[in-house]
Amino acid sequence: NAGVTQTPKFQVLKTGQSMTLQCAQDMNHEYMSWYRQDPGMGLRLIHYSVGAGITDQGEVPNGYNVSRSTTEDFPLRLLSAAPSQTSVYFCASSYARDYAWVTQYFGPGTRLLVL
Amino acid sequence: GQQLNQSPQSMFIQEGEDVSMNCTSSSIFNTWLWYKQDPGEGPVLLIALYKAGELTSNGRLTAQFGITRKDSFLNISASIPSDVGIYFCAGPESGGSNYKLTFGKGTLLTVNP
Repeated sequence: NAGVTQTPKFQVLKTGQSMTLQCAQDMNHEYMSWYRQDPGMGLRLIHYSVGAGITDQGEVPNGYNVSRSTTEDFPLRLLSAAPSQTSVYFCASSYARDYAWVTQYFGPGTRLLVL
Repeated sequence: GQQLNQSPQSMFIQEGEDVSMNCTSSSIFNTWLWYKQDPGEGPVLLIALYKAGELTSNGRLTAQFGITRKDSFLNISASIPSDVGIYFCAGPESGGSNYKLTFGKGTLLTVNP
């Protein structure tokens, strides 16, 4: 199993550009989520999904869109990048059951710089 | 939303020393989680605590769920260089979805060999 994979590893964008951060898992996990991590901060939940076709907002959803068309993939879209979105983005997945965090796996992260 | 306050923000210790860190909240948590993040990687769950007063160990790590349900503690005994990293406390949103985790800002641990 590859676990949770994220692409790209690094990305530089100009303000106003759009891009999609990819996240895929091969563990047949129902639950997937996106977090951002800023220097000196913990992780903050952006969006999450408990299954294909079901998404919901986390703590900091503004400026980001998600969709879940398959169990395996959960892309995060930035429609118009802003410098405030400079961050490290982590994708995570787990089984959608009680105590889901016990089976939660994080990807290696995508480092995004918006100029 | 809920906020978790971790202290200390950073620690610099000598190999072999014991380490203590804690996490507090203004609201009650039903579950406390402790994660470790190695440089350049995603967090990994170390210990999960489910009830007040619970004391759980994972090797040299011991964590406790505070009796007030508003705090938790993590201890590392006989530290080694591979303990270096950021330690986060976290918990699911009280009264909300179990899938929404709130994270503290982390404690950066440096171990001098």
